[in-house]
Amino acid sequence: SQTIHQWPATLVQPVGSPLSLECTVEGTSNPNLYWYRQAAGRGLQLLFYSVGIGQISSEVPQNLSASRPQDRQFILSSKKLLLSDSGFYLCAWSNQGLLNEKLFFGSGTQLSVL
Amino acid sequence: DAKTTQPNSMESNEEEPVHLPCNHSTISGTDYIHWYRQLPSQGPEYVIHGLTSNVNNRMASLAIAEDRKSSTLILHRATLRDAAVYYCILRVNYGGSQGNLIFGKGTKLSVKP
Repeated sequence: SQTIHQWPATLVQPVGSPLSLECTVEGTSNPNLYWYRQAAGRGLQLLFYSVGIGQISSEVPQNLSASRPQDRQFILSSKKLLLSDSGFYLCAWSNQGLLNEKLFFGSGTQLSVL
Repeated sequence: DAKTTQPNSMESNEEEPVHLPCNHSTISGTDYIHWYRQLPSQGPEYVIHGLTSNVNNRMASLAIAEDRKSSTLILHRATLRDAAVYYCILRVNYGGSQGNLIFGKGTKLSVKP
C-alpha cells in the first residue's frame, strides 16, 4: 500500500533562518507531488506541484522554493523565512493522468516563524 | 479558475443525516467534483468524487444536479467523528497542470451529541 511521510510535525524557526521540509512517498512510482499551505483560519493554498523529477511548477510567487531530487521525494525550502511563512504545510501525492484521481495528504508540518 | 461556493458553517445532530451543499455554476463538461474533509490539525482526507451521475461509497453519497451547477454531499448518519471542514472542489483540466485541486474555505460541520 502507498504511504506518505512528512516531517517534522512541528517547527519553530526565527525570522531570516532557512527552511527545509521533506516529504517522501512509498508504494507508488512517478506520482504527482504537491505542496500546500494553510494559514491560520484559512483554506489550503497550492504552492507547488511536480509531475516528475526536476519538474516543478509554482502556483504562487513567494519566498519559498521546491525541489524533487528523486521520484518520490519532494522538498520545500526557503533561504530566509518571513513571518508570513507561518502556517500548516501539507504534502500530497496523486497518480498521474486522470482528473478523477484522488489526492493523498501527509500529516502536515506546523511552522511557526517568530 | 472554476470556483465553488459553500456555506461557511453548518450544524447537525448526531445520528441524523447531513446535506452539505456546493454551488459551482462555472463548471465545464470535463470538470470532476471532488469532496475532501479535514479534521483539526490533520491533512485533508478524500471523501468522494463524481462527474455526472450520483455516487455512493462507504463514507457518503454525492448528489449532482442535472445541470451540474451544484452538488450535495450527504452523510447518512452523522457521528461526532464527522465534525470537520468539508471542501467541495472542482478538478479542472487546464494547460499542463494535470488538474490541480484548488481548495476554497469549505464548510465547517459541527455535530452535536
